[in-house]
Amino acid sequence: GAGVSQSPSNKVTEKGKDVELRCDPISGHTALYWYRQSLGQGLEFLIYFQGNSAPDKSGLPSDRFSAERTGGSVSTLTIQRTQQEDSAVYLCASSSTGSGANVLTFGAGSRLTVL
Amino acid sequence: AQSVTQPDIHITVSEGASLELRCNYSYGATPYLFWYVQSPGQGLQLLLKYFSGDTLVQGIKGFEAEFKRSQSSFNLRKPSVHWSDAAEYFCAVGAWDTNAGKSTFGDGTTLTVKP
Repeated sequence: GAGVSQSPSNKVTEKGKDVELRCDPISGHTALYWYRQSLGQGLEFLIYFQGNSAPDKSGLPSDRFSAERTGGSVSTLTIQRTQQEDSAVYLCASSSTGSGANVLTFGAGSRLTVL
Repeated sequence: AQSVTQPDIHITVSEGASLELRCNYSYGATPYLFWYVQSPGQGLQLLLKYFSGDTLVQGIKGFEAEFKRSQSSFNLRKPSVHWSDAAEYFCAVGAWDTNAGKSTFGDGTTLTVKP
């Protein structure tokens, strides 16, 4: 697509429920990243995909968080047994290879509220 | 480990006045530096980047930034601010390796523009 698309844009859930957040990167971008932005905070790196593999999962906060990417395209971030501290905006970004590899194009984010 | 400090949490300037947003970084090698802007409800948009060469880089929307290695700084400037520049600004440092996109972001500076 023309840009990075994320869905849902807003999600309100109850504590303990599972949620899935979706990211559709720019067509042809091989790298995909998930960041978390809590209120008044900077961006916290969660996970990075190169193709379908995730060489760096170091930012995932706990084993309740997981992500996958299929077909080198769409990625899903899953949060199991959500907690109130999971409330944040989850941003997805993608990048190309070569000299463009450092330049991230971000989606508008998925705002998650855990009640 | 790389880190980014944006000393100013919030800055207010009058429309038409000049602007400088500060950014200091810590990185063990030559950094790749970025400024992103985030308007309310939007994802982050790249303003400009520094990879190498001329230390004064020009970006979109009339912004520029200067890389000063001796001061570990990459301050963002604009000679005359417009009301539409009100947003949150993030400085980021990245590494040129397989985790190229794993940029580290500062906590952001919120810019308010007075009429």
